[in-house]
Amino acid sequence: DADVTQTPRNRITKTGKRIMLECSQTKGHDRMYWYRQDPGLGLRLIYYSFDVKDINKGEISDGYSVSRQAQAKFSLSLESAIPNQTALYFCATSDKGALKNEQFFGPGTRLTVL
Amino acid sequence: AQSVTQPDIHITVSEGASLELRCNYSYGATPYLFWYVQSPGQGLQLLLKYFSGDTLVQGIKGFEAEFKRSQSSFNLRKPSVHWSDAAEYFCAVGANGNKLVFGAGTILRVKS
Repeated sequence: DADVTQTPRNRITKTGKRIMLECSQTKGHDRMYWYRQDPGLGLRLIYYSFDVKDINKGEISDGYSVSRQAQAKFSLSLESAIPNQTALYFCATSDKGALKNEQFFGPGTRLTVL
Repeated sequence: AQSVTQPDIHITVSEGASLELRCNYSYGATPYLFWYVQSPGQGLQLLLKYFSGDTLVQGIKGFEAEFKRSQSSFNLRKPSVHWSDAAEYFCAVGANGNKLVFGAGTILRVKS
């Protein structure tokens, strides 16, 4: 079984719709991250959370929100999706006790906003 | 602020040929450096990492990378490329607050 899972894997939606992407992990890690990947731009950090009560904005948080429901679950929401949020979204985890900054990634969610 | 530059957007090599993917970083202190690979339709898999010590690090799948502080580089190498190595490769540097800053990626194509 995968250690970091993301649902859905693919989603097509329309402009203005609310969308939630979910991430679950069985690694027992405290820290979780959401990134988006765009061609030619690499991965950019949207939000990150170091524990259930700690949520931090990343590089490109506008238009997104997150919820850390439990240590193992971290959801990303698009309140009103727009076409330039079409991208590949990755969830990642890391262990605060592990080697510096090493992160483990889920398989990604491909989101298309029409 | 930390940054990573991967100068080559696309690279094409013949199967069996050697490979070098370039990565330059900007960071004030000793960096933590990573190479990840993303195969088509897959997530990111860690190839190798550098934290300290020996500047030549070995990774999975026959890859290695060399940290050169004087050149602010962490280039990825493989002596003989296989068709299954076709993927996108990302270099990343550890940033303050246990974050990673990624380069834009290099797409590797392998021709038979």
